[in-house]
Parts: sequence; C-alpha cells; structure tokens
Amino acid sequence: DQQVKQNSPSLSVQEGRISILNCDYTNSMFDYFLWYKKYPAEGPTFLISISSIKDKNEDGRFTVFLNKSAKHLSLHIVPSQPGDSAVYFCAATLGAQKLVFGQGTRLTINP
Amino acid sequence: DSGVTQTPKHLITATGQRVTLRCSPRSGDLSVYWYQQSLDQGLQFLIQYYNGEERAKGNILERFSAQQFPDLHSELNLSSLELGDSALYFCASSPRQGGYYGYTFGSGTRLTVV
Repeated sequence: DQQVKQNSPSLSVQEGRISILNCDYTNSMFDYFLWYKKYPAEGPTFLISISSIKDKNEDGRFTVFLNKSAKHLSLHIVPSQPGDSAVYFCAATLGAQKLVFGQGTRLTINP
Repeated sequence: DSGVTQTPKHLITATGQRVTLRCSPRSGDLSVYWYQQSLDQGLQFLIQYYNGEERAKGNILERFSAQQFPDLHSELNLSSLELGDSALYFCASSPRQGGYYGYTFGSGTRLTVV
C-alpha cells in the first residue's frame, strides 16, 4: 500500500524557469510533510517541510504548497538552477511514527 | 558530512551469504531508522530503534534483523542473501522518535548480491 505517491519519475526543466514537483498521499491523518533532495552517492538531505495546519511554506527559492482536500502537495523551485538537478523525495508522517516516502522524482535542469 | 556514518560503502557478496551493515547515528540522536532503496523504488522503511529498543517494523524480511547497541550504533544483518536483496541501504537518525524532527541520513551502503 503506497501511501505517498510521486507519479512523475522524471522532470526536465530549463534553467531559470519554475520546477514543480508533485506528490499525492492517501492517509488523511498525516500531519506533517517533508521534501528531501538526493544527489548520487549521497544520502537524502532535508529540504523543506510543512505542517498540515498550513497551506504554504517558503524558504528562499523553495516553496511547498499543501492542498489537504485534494491530499496533494507540491514543491516549487524558482528560479531553477543546475545544482537543483537531483532526485526529490516527498515524505509524510503522523505523530511519533516513521516517515513514509514516495518513489522520488528525478529533476534535470537544462542549461 | 551529515554526521551519520555508514560502513561499508560498498559490499559485493554471493547468494546465500550473510552480511552486516553498520550505522553510527549523529551525536545526540537516539532514534535510528533503516531504509532500503531498490532500483526505481522509493525509500522503503525496514525498522526503527529508539534508545536501544525496537519501536517500529516495516517491510523487513524475516531473513533480516537489526539491533541498536548501548552506544547507540546500529547494525542491520542480512542473511541467506538473494539477488533481489541488491539495493542501497540507508540509515537515518533523529533526536527523538517520529518524523516531525526530520531525519539525517547517512550516505548509504550499496549491496550487490551476485
């Protein structure tokens, strides 16, 4: 049972444009969502998070939007830079439980 | 350097063998989580320890086991290895239980079973 889904395995965006990565979840009880970024040969690193009581959280070029009614969240990167090329994982949690991760989306920023 | 140390970085072994993966959590972190990432798959949760005690189990096979020692380092034991066990194995740590605090991941152990 895949509770967190990233339906796009890959995304290609031109440098300077907006990158939008999407994530859907099925468990309406999740109350905290996170995005992780992973480079090859490295472990995932925390990028940005959002509580379920909010619908937007912004940190520099990164903004996460949460639509609870649609059980959907998205990560916007503006403007996209070559160093943003990586695999992005969406994750969700409830209370003291473990993080549940999506399958990841490989983002490629083209010059 | 994330502060979470995983050894070895790479491991090649034959089917039927047994291996041990080691993880040292970030200083001060009490929770250790093990995840498996197979080809084209997301991060699949295997098991969690908190201050030496098992707290949650995920999709961990009976051939796999883990423990967390008094110094808080953790080991993941994989036995009777099969080709399908080839994957990246990540360890993560957090100060307390749960995802609110975020995880700090190690760089992983790449296991290849031949």
